[in-house]
Amino acid sequence: KQEVTQIPAALSVPEGENLVLNCSFTDSAIYNLQWFRQDPGKGLTSLLLIQSSQREQTSGRLNASLDKSSGRSTLYIAASQPGDSATYLCAVMGSSGDKLTFGTGTRLAVRP
Amino acid sequence: GAVVSQHPSRVICKSGTSVKIECRSLDFQATTMFWYRQFPKQSLMLMATSNEGSKATYEQGVEKDKFLINHASLTLSTLTVTSAHPEDSSFYICSASYGANVLTFGAGSRLTVL
Repeated sequence: KQEVTQIPAALSVPEGENLVLNCSFTDSAIYNLQWFRQDPGKGLTSLLLIQSSQREQTSGRLNASLDKSSGRSTLYIAASQPGDSATYLCAVMGSSGDKLTFGTGTRLAVRP
Repeated sequence: GAVVSQHPSRVICKSGTSVKIECRSLDFQATTMFWYRQFPKQSLMLMATSNEGSKATYEQGVEKDKFLINHASLTLSTLTVTSAHPEDSSFYICSASYGANVLTFGAGSRLTVL
């Protein structure tokens, strides 16, 4: 059974800092890994998708890496802004493509 | 606590038929549920927000007459794919709001339309 863990559970940083969010998963047989943000009361917003054959993806100030063999992914946020404050979730799609397992999330607060 | 059950996990149907997917919050009441879908090699995308007792709010580009969402009770939301076609084959997943800022997810439903 796939288990996805995110560390830290919560993070508070001053504006402008670069930061790293971690995601680990127990079963390396995955189809893809995705990072999302969730704003209070809203659904998920997709940030980055990494296929199992890829090692990283970048979008603007965001960079996500994937090390499938070690069961780890990191989300790097450069020059953080107050608007980045949200909960960040990683999710792993099983190799059969029919089950998505979410981590518990990292709650990020960026202070002005 | 905070478990969301989604059923069925896999469904195969013929083109032109309708398919219903259920999303239930087992041990809490969910006034808001969300429906997502994911096509192969694409990211999970929000389809609609379902509020108990009112009409669902659909994201741009999602046909409300094709994807019927009913949230008749605080523990059940259903997504019906009407007149399904092969291009509707996708992974559908629901989530429910639990508490102020927590979303709990179903395990997803893989729809294959032949």
